[in-house]
Order: sequence, then C-alpha cells, then structure tokens
Amino acid sequence: ETGVTQTPRHLVMGMTNKKSLKCEQHLGHNAMYWYKQSAKKPLELMFVYSLEERVENNSVPSRFSPECPNSSHLFLHLHTLQPEDSALYLCASSQIPTDNSPLHFGNGTRLTVT
Amino acid sequence: AQSVAQPEDQVNVAEGNPLTVKCTYSVSGNPYLFWYVQYPNRGLQFLLKYITGDNLVKGSYGFEAEFNKSQTSFHLKKPSALVSDSALYFCALGGSARQLTFGSGTQLTVLP
Repeated sequence: ETGVTQTPRHLVMGMTNKKSLKCEQHLGHNAMYWYKQSAKKPLELMFVYSLEERVENNSVPSRFSPECPNSSHLFLHLHTLQPEDSALYLCASSQIPTDNSPLHFGNGTRLTVT
Repeated sequence: AQSVAQPEDQVNVAEGNPLTVKCTYSVSGNPYLFWYVQYPNRGLQFLLKYITGDNLVKGSYGFEAEFNKSQTSFHLKKPSALVSDSALYFCALGGSARQLTFGSGTQLTVLP
C-alpha cells in the first residue's frame, strides 16, 4: 500500500491536448518529485519541490509545467506534447534532507501521446 | 560528480539459488546507498539503505546488501531466490548531489 497516490493511472492524449497529472502524498513529507521513466533509459528527475522551492532539470521542455500548491499535492501540467513524451511518469516524496532519506513512489501514470 | 552503475541489464537465477545484483558507485565524500524494486505497472519500492555502520544491511523481503568501500560496491543479495522476486531492481546513490542518482536498473528473472 503506497502513501503516494497518482491519478490517472493511464492517459492517452493527442499532441494538441492539455491535461494534468495529479499526485498526493499522505506521509507528511516536505519534498515532492516528478520522474520520467522511459524504456531502456535511466530514471530522469524532472522537478523537485522542497520547502516550497522548485528545483528543475534544465533539459525538461517547457511543455511540462509543474505546480505544487502545498506540501501534500503536486501536479504536472501537459500541453502540446510529442510522441517521444510517452512514458511512465512517477511522483515521489521524501523528508529532506534527501541524501539519506528514501523516496516513496506512487504507482505512476502511463502516458501515451498519439 | 557522482555516479552509480549497474553493469548487468539482466540477471537470471534458478529458484532456490542465491542471487546477486551488482552495483558500483563513485562519489566524493560519504555515500548513502539505496536499493529499490519495481514490479510491473508499479512505482519503485524502497528495499534497504546504507548510511553508516555495519557493512551488511538487511532489508525487506529477505534481501540484504553488502557495502564495500574499497571496491566502491553495494551489491544486493538474497540467499534463496523466489519466483516472486522477479522484478526490476535499481541502485541509487545520495551524497554530494542534493538528489538521488539512480542506476539504469537490472531485470531479475527467477526461473522455476
């Protein structure tokens, strides 16, 4: 049973659509993350929110836009995506400092861009 | 810069045999090392971590890992594999970077 809940579990969207992924953590953690997992590639950290400060991977395209309204909720807004953006998007949370604190992951959203 | 490597994409082992999934790391300063497991269509689950102390760390589901500073390794082990252990395993490194660095993953298949 996970303390991190992601919705939806599956999403199919066209390249012109706008959609959002939602993540909620019930663990009292103060840091939340978005990761992208593609087949045959290492896990890619996209965004981090810790103590309400956002840290991002500069290689993430602007068509991905995160939002963290509070320490328990995290969104990933998607617009004009490309087929290569199809992947499993994982949300995680932890208690900072993160260098020795394990991440707790949700079950992910499987995104398919057509 | 810190890095972590999992040299084997795939490990196959017979049920009941011991299993080892390899991980090596590179970091300046003290390493914080983690193992995670991912079952199909699920997120990653934390198995165990090494912060300091005993080099042999015990974790969930009968798994353990041995920290070896001289070889900069943190191999995951289990004395007797189960078919249900078949999954994707990730080694991760914390330390000089603010966030964890993940390895590329090793697919473990336990054959009945």
